[in-house]
Amino acid sequence: ETGVTQSPTHLIKTRGQQVTLRCSSQSGHNTVSWYQQALGQGPQFIFQYYREEENGRGNFPPRFSGLQFPNYSSELNVNALELDDSALYLCASSPEGGRTGELFFGEGSRLAVL
Amino acid sequence: ILNVEQSPQSLHVQEGDSTNFTCSFPSSNFYALHWYRWETAKSPEALFVMTLNGDEKKKGRISATLNTKEGYSYLYIKGSQPEDSATYLCAFLNNRKLIWGLGTSLAVNP
Repeated sequence: ETGVTQSPTHLIKTRGQQVTLRCSSQSGHNTVSWYQQALGQGPQFIFQYYREEENGRGNFPPRFSGLQFPNYSSELNVNALELDDSALYLCASSPEGGRTGELFFGEGSRLAVL
Repeated sequence: ILNVEQSPQSLHVQEGDSTNFTCSFPSSNFYALHWYRWETAKSPEALFVMTLNGDEKKKGRISATLNTKEGYSYLYIKGSQPEDSATYLCAFLNNRKLIWGLGTSLAVNP
């Protein structure tokens, strides 16, 4: 059974640039959630995808967007990067809409915006 | 604004000590309460998902209780070991979104 994998693990961007982060969900999981964890903060929910549709969204501006593909892998795109977007971005997968079941996390993508 | 609070923020104990932390959450519209352990340089790992008032769950030396009416959950670690050193996060499921606390950082000294 393959776990959740994320890429890239680390990256550096400058203000105004765009970034795409990728996540492969655990085998058999059709739900992917994305979280942002800034320094000293708990994870903040960005959005969730279930069977290729956005299934819930946190308080993030529209420049945070996502996709889920037929194989349930997912992308997080952030446009017009700001300094405050520097954070660890975590992807988590879960089976069947992730209603109450546990999440399985990747190791995260650490983004630095200069 | 829905808020999940964890206390203490950090904790240092000696190997063999037993310890506990608290997670407070809104008592209305409860669906589930999650506990995760996050070791440095690793992925967060699920410990428990609790759904029923009065639930008690146990995994080895770690156990958790849930009171949905008053909005709190306790996590207990019996006989702490250095490998228990991690950040322990709780998250409250509300309308399909998990709302996370800031975590309790535990350091167990050998």
